[in-house]
Amino acid sequence: AQTVTQSQPEMSVQEAETVTLSCTYDTSESDYYLFWYKQPPSRQMILVIRQEAYKQQNATENRFSVNFQKAAKSFSLKISDSQLGDAAMYFCAYTTGTASKLTFGTGTRLQVTL
Amino acid sequence: DSGVTQTPKHLITATGQRVTLRCSPRSGDLSVYWYQQSLDQGLQFLIQYYNGEERAKGNILERFSAQQFPDLHSELNLSSLELGDSALYFCASSRGTSGRVGGELFFGEGSRLTVL
Repeated sequence: AQTVTQSQPEMSVQEAETVTLSCTYDTSESDYYLFWYKQPPSRQMILVIRQEAYKQQNATENRFSVNFQKAAKSFSLKISDSQLGDAAMYFCAYTTGTASKLTFGTGTRLQVTL
Repeated sequence: DSGVTQTPKHLITATGQRVTLRCSPRSGDLSVYWYQQSLDQGLQFLIQYYNGEERAKGNILERFSAQQFPDLHSELNLSSLELGDSALYFCASSRGTSGRVGGELFFGEGSRLTVL
């Protein structure tokens, strides 16, 4: 079964600094997708970034980038120039190319301090 | 605003009761997914419908059922409620021409169910 592991229940970063959230996954599939979702206190699930496994280039969205290590089955999220609005729960998620669902990790709560 | 609408936002009920949660997907989205998020937990996949038909089923209890109507809105029915059913229930939708999740899922704001 595919699993997604987020080993950092909580992280803290100072405003304007950089933080990296870790995610590992287990799969035997070759065609899959990885996601990072943000859940602020409003509870809304917001897609932060998406990575297709067949693409070697790491995805980037403004201040958010990933370090996708396919052989190591690692998919970490780097947030640069952290802002107060980045404070939220961050969930790593996985799906295969033929699956109909996302499998989520347990989340990392990110605090941003002044 | 994701375009996915869930009602009600909050619901408080008693053990043994039955509730219905409603979801309207984004315009044009054919797939609807239901997820359960218990306190401080990740999201657990319950069930997916694609264009009115059940496409995939996760760890959904037999006391729970869902359906997708011709206008593509979906309802999740929870019966014989127990304290442990208290959770945030999310609906999500996607274009999913084949029900696949290669693209983005758009989530509603969730329905917070409290069972007393």
